[in-house]
Amino acid sequence: GQNIDQPTEMTATEGAIVQINCTYQTSGFNGLFWYQQHAGEAPTFLSYNVLDGLEEKGRFSSFLSRSKGYSYLLLKELQMKDSASYLCASVDSNYQLIWGAGTKLIIKP
Amino acid sequence: GAVVSQHPSWVICKSGTSVKIECRSLDFQATTMFWYRQFPKQSLMLMATSNEGSKATYEQGVEKDKFLINHASLTLSTLTVTSAHPEDSSFYICSARQRDYEQYFGPGTRLTVT
Repeated sequence: GQNIDQPTEMTATEGAIVQINCTYQTSGFNGLFWYQQHAGEAPTFLSYNVLDGLEEKGRFSSFLSRSKGYSYLLLKELQMKDSASYLCASVDSNYQLIWGAGTKLIIKP
Repeated sequence: GAVVSQHPSWVICKSGTSVKIECRSLDFQATTMFWYRQFPKQSLMLMATSNEGSKATYEQGVEKDKFLINHASLTLSTLTVTSAHPEDSSFYICSARQRDYEQYFGPGTRLTVT
């Protein structure tokens, strides 16, 4: 079946690094998205991985291992504004998104 | 590029009335649009997938007679919540797909039914 797992909540300190993991079981896998969503707002695109490896984009990096059904989002030099929910979503064979429940990231000063 | 708008941003209506929410892709043609609902502290829940010129495909448990979706053109889809009730109060978000996999989200519409 289709399944996405990510931690419900994480806490980190301003200036530190945090890694948010996501595991998936998706038939006809066609890639994985990471979105950021602040409370009361719509999600905004962070990254898309379809090949194995790490993609770096500023303070945010995303990693994918297709053989392990595993991805992570790495946030460096954390800022208070990074407090948000982070959603991973896999793309199935019909190019539909299968959403995780989201990880609420709390940044403490 | 790839901007999606929604209107209204928020709406308050009385129980039993109907509410229409518009979703527009401003600078691209969207062959497929998606409607999501999100309750507080929960993830996005896909309600339906809308293809231009054809009937929407509803997810299991979503009443198609209550949530009417019209995808009249490549840049406009509408969601009408008919006979709204307080339990329909939620954050409704649309997204539009430009190519095979990329989805761009609208800013969302917060519906409160009193």
